[in-house]
Amino acid sequence: EAGVAQSPRYKIIEKRQSVAFWCNPISGHATLYWYQQILGQGPKLLIQFQNNGVVDDSQLPKDRFSAERLKGVDSTLKIQPAKLEDSAVYLCASSSPGQGDRGYTFGSGTRLTVV
Amino acid sequence: LAKTTQPISMDSYEGQEVNITCSHNNIATNDYITWYQQFPSQGPRFIIQGYKTKVTNEVASLFIPADRKSSTLSLPRVSLSDTAVYYCLVGEGNAGKSTFGDGTTLTVKP
Repeated sequence: EAGVAQSPRYKIIEKRQSVAFWCNPISGHATLYWYQQILGQGPKLLIQFQNNGVVDDSQLPKDRFSAERLKGVDSTLKIQPAKLEDSAVYLCASSSPGQGDRGYTFGSGTRLTVV
Repeated sequence: LAKTTQPISMDSYEGQEVNITCSHNNIATNDYITWYQQFPSQGPRFIIQGYKTKVTNEVASLFIPADRKSSTLSLPRVSLSDTAVYYCLVGEGNAGKSTFGDGTTLTVKP
């Protein structure tokens, strides 16, 4: 079974620029998550989708972050404009309904550096 | 959501058994305890999940006392490749809404 695909693997941008990350979840996984992981910390949930609807975006900084999951498959996460504190690894995960906490499958992430 | 507390780091040597304890004093009746492992430059991956008593799989064992206010992940005979960050999650088993803490960094030395 193919894993969760993310691209790009690395990205370096200047502050105030915009950036977008892409995620392709495991086929058939209805739930998709975007996490932000700052160096030395655990992953922090930014947004959770169920199919193409948003379930939880309470920790998404909506003034600069946006995410969409058109057609309930692929998803993109955008930051505009980026700040220095956005430097982190952005992880995408997916799961099947009912698997809950045991079912997260994570991608390898996109490492963003804002200079 | 139940908050978890884990040691920041632990050191061990190859071949030893490692026990990592997680405290979750506010665990709710419907909550499960799940452990994930994360290697550098990778996303976390599932290790084990339990509700009470003891659970064992091919990778690890999970010990949960009767009051469920803590749990212990046991890794038998660790090797260098077990060097990673280990996260304890507590939440409703089928909800998938648990919060990752900052984890325990395990360093296995030769």
